[in-house]
Amino acid sequence: GENVEQHPSTLSVQEGDSAVIKCTYSDSASNYFPWYKQELGKGPQLIIDIRSNVGEKKDQRIAVTLNKTAKHFSLHITETQPEDSAVYFCAATEAAGNKLTFGGGTRVLVKP
Amino acid sequence: GAVVSQHPSWVICKSGTSVKIECRSLDFQATTMFWYRQFPKQSLMLMATSNEGSKATYEQGVEKDKFLINHASLTLSTLTVTSAHPEDSSFYICSAMGRNQETQYFGPGTRLLVL
Repeated sequence: GENVEQHPSTLSVQEGDSAVIKCTYSDSASNYFPWYKQELGKGPQLIIDIRSNVGEKKDQRIAVTLNKTAKHFSLHITETQPEDSAVYFCAATEAAGNKLTFGGGTRVLVKP
Repeated sequence: GAVVSQHPSWVICKSGTSVKIECRSLDFQATTMFWYRQFPKQSLMLMATSNEGSKATYEQGVEKDKFLINHASLTLSTLTVTSAHPEDSSFYICSAMGRNQETQYFGPGTRLLVL
């Protein structure tokens, strides 16, 4: 089955700086890669996603890049703000069944 | 749009009792719902996938007789933890996906504490 690895596990940045989280996946047939933000005690919230026919997608301060050849994708947050502090999860779909396989998560702390 | 609710948000029960958790898609028809379990500071682990009107498909290692899943309508799925024990204490999260969609929208989660 699919295996998703996520790095780093924790990330501390100064407010206004950029944050980058990287994920690798194992199944070359995976074709959908969402990113979720989870605040303490809450369910994950979709923040951006990308499909395998696109190399980059941007939504305001958030961008995601995908390298299908290398089987890795990254989340970029620019001009970080304290409210960006949360746990971020990457995920990839398995080729069949639409099941998501999650990375281990990255705890992001934005220091004011 | 794409709002998913869960009820209750938290529950405390005695060991040996059963607990039912509801997951509802409020503004779309969810042909597929997923149930996850999350331990503190860990990632989400898929427990089962349920399609409306069909039996749930459980992941390896998940006891189907202990975690009963019902997906009787396009907007409601329930997870019943039967004969709960302290080791079942966890954060249970559902997600829902519409027809011909690939995006899963998550509920707010239910924290279960079994004493």
